[in-house]
Amino acid sequence: SQQGEEDPQALSIQEGENATMNCSYKTSINNLQWYRQNSGRGLVHLILIRSNEREKHSGRLRVTLDTSKKSSSLLITASRAADTASYFCATSGYSTLTFGKGTMLLVSP
Amino acid sequence: DGGITQSPKYLFRKEGQNVTLSCEQNLNHDAMYWYRQDPGQGLRLIYYSQIVNDFQKGDIAEGYSVSREKKESFPLTVTSAQKNPTAFYLCASSRVEREAFFGQGTRLTVV
Repeated sequence: SQQGEEDPQALSIQEGENATMNCSYKTSINNLQWYRQNSGRGLVHLILIRSNEREKHSGRLRVTLDTSKKSSSLLITASRAADTASYFCATSGYSTLTFGKGTMLLVSP
Repeated sequence: DGGITQSPKYLFRKEGQNVTLSCEQNLNHDAMYWYRQDPGQGLRLIYYSQIVNDFQKGDIAEGYSVSREKKESFPLTVTSAQKNPTAFYLCASSRVEREAFFGQGTRLTVV
């Protein structure tokens, strides 16, 4: 079964706006990761947040983790057309890496 | 260049055939994974391996087989028992509990 569930399934915004994606999961985790996938390509790792961390930044990315609610959010600030892609959360635990169904982000110029 | 390589990029399988997808990494990672991706389904775990000569079934292992004879290699065989194999297959590797690196994928089509 898939551990993470992203919300929304699809998001359409204009360049310069912020994009927020949410992820909920079911069981305990060691860390939570966010990935990006351009159409027909492999996934690229964006950021990893450990279970004892609450917030992490990387460039225009901000990730939060609330283990009590079993949820995480990914914020992309000042979005660009090149940010158009699918974004996945993945939970790490029990020696596996389990992905959700992803959020498709479309950023229009 | 360090990385993870999948081959072939496109693969066509006839009904009743077994086919093998290659995955090689030179990142010295212990863990390797195989995922299947269908439209709207996200990534589903087929098999994973944390160490040479050991591997575990994921959520959708039926109709697939793997081997891990070398640290660098984790080939996936899609057997004739897999009734709906048309999909995009992704291989990944990682250090344990760290970020994963993905190959570019193999698109398998049944003809």
